[in-house]
Amino acid sequence: ETGVTQSPTHLIKTRGQQVTLRCSSQSGHNTVSWYQQALGQGPQFIFQYYREEENGRGNFPPRFSGLQFPNYSSELNVNALELDDSALYLCASSLEGPTPGNTIYFGEGSWLTVV
Amino acid sequence: GQQVMQIPQYQHVQEGEDFTTYCNSSTTLSNIQWYKQRPGGHPVFLIQLVKSGEVKKQKRLTFQFGEAKKNSSLHITATQTTDVGTYFCAGRVSGTYKYIFGTGTRLKVLA
Repeated sequence: ETGVTQSPTHLIKTRGQQVTLRCSSQSGHNTVSWYQQALGQGPQFIFQYYREEENGRGNFPPRFSGLQFPNYSSELNVNALELDDSALYLCASSLEGPTPGNTIYFGEGSWLTVV
Repeated sequence: GQQVMQIPQYQHVQEGEDFTTYCNSSTTLSNIQWYKQRPGGHPVFLIQLVKSGEVKKQKRLTFQFGEAKKNSSLHITATQTTDVGTYFCAGRVSGTYKYIFGTGTRLKVLA
């Protein structure tokens, strides 16, 4: 039990639609990251939020966007879904201070299938 | 671009044998973390290494971070069936908040 919960656990969307995935981080964790994990591959860093501001981004297009809220919850939004967006989306929270690199706690993920 | 490669991709061992996975980064890392992911599950944090040449042990697991902070290894002594899963390294790119996960090594332990 990592204290990080994600919803929904599974969903199916049609190409072109929009999706919002939600994450509730561990209480007190000021940093949340989102990852995309395709089947049989390692997680790919999408972006990170620290105190409600995006402070790092991977190689994902602008149609991937996010929000972090003061109550330690966050969202990942994906617009104009493509078939290749089908993957497990993982939320990870941590408590970052002046020296980054603390333990990262992953949620169980949201399985997205785009048809 | 920045990459983190892991070898081997797959490893099948007899229970009781040792296992090692290696992680190599194309760029210098500020720290490296190791995760274990069971089939259908999410990555579970195992350990973090920060210092050049650092070695850490957790029971049967030994983790090393290279002197140049570009490679790392995980060694499991006397594997057990509970060690089954995919092991990922994740390196933090120096000067950024970005973690790059390795390609993973899938371990299968035969009883």
